[in-house]
Amino acid sequence: AQKITQTQPGMFVQEKEAVTLDCTYDTSDPSYGLFWYKQPSSGEMIFLIYQGSYDQQNATEGRYSLNFQKARKSANLVISASQLGDSAMYFCAMREGMYSGGGADGLTFGKGTHLIIQP
Amino acid sequence: ETGVTQTPRHLVMGMTNKKSLKCEQHLGHNAMYWYKQSAKKPLELMFVYSLEERVENNSVPSRFSPECPNSSHLFLHLHTLQPEDSALYLCASSQDRGGVVEQYFGPGTRLTVT
Repeated sequence: AQKITQTQPGMFVQEKEAVTLDCTYDTSDPSYGLFWYKQPSSGEMIFLIYQGSYDQQNATEGRYSLNFQKARKSANLVISASQLGDSAMYFCAMREGMYSGGGADGLTFGKGTHLIIQP
Repeated sequence: ETGVTQTPRHLVMGMTNKKSLKCEQHLGHNAMYWYKQSAKKPLELMFVYSLEERVENNSVPSRFSPECPNSSHLFLHLHTLQPEDSALYLCASSQDRGGVVEQYFGPGTRLTVT
C-alpha cells in the first residue's frame, strides 16, 4: 500500500487564485512528520513547509499553509495568491518515527502533482 | 541556494564504465542521503548516512556503492550500470536531533546509461 498518495497528477490554475494540493498518508506510527517540496524544471527539490504529528496548529510559511487533518490522515498544501513562478512539481513526503530520539531516516515521497499557473 | 552541491550535473555513461557522483553540503549537517528519481515514479531512498556511518540501505543493487568520508561529503560510485538506472540522482542533508527535521536537497545529477 502506498504510504503517500497524491491524487492530482496535474492542475491548471489561474494566476492569483488560491490552490489546494491534496495529500493523504498512511502510517500506524503516532510520531511522524509531513513535508512539502517544490521541484521546478531545473530539478532541485525546494523545501516549503512541514507539520509534525503532535503539532496542534496548522503550519504556515508565507503564502504556504498546510491543512492538517489528522483523523482523515490528510495534509493538503494551500498556496494563496498563486504566481507564475509557482509552476512546478509538488511533492508530499513523510518521515515516520520523528520523535523517537534522533537518528537519520529517509523520507517517503508521493508521486507528485504538476501545477501549472496560467496568466 | 540550498547549500548542497552536486557534481556533475549531467552524466552519460556506458554500461561498462565506472563513474562517481559527488555531493557536498555546506550547512554543517550530520546526516546525508541519496535518492533516485525515475520518470513517473516517486523518489526512492537509496542510502542514509548519519555521523558518517551508513544506517540504511534500501536493497539497492551492489552496482551502486556509497562512500561518506566525512560529514560534508558523500559519493555514489557507479559501475556496470543498466539502462534502467538512468534517472535523476538527488543528494540531501539534514541536522538530525530528533523531532521534525527537514532535508535540504542538491540540484541533482541527471544520469543517462547507454
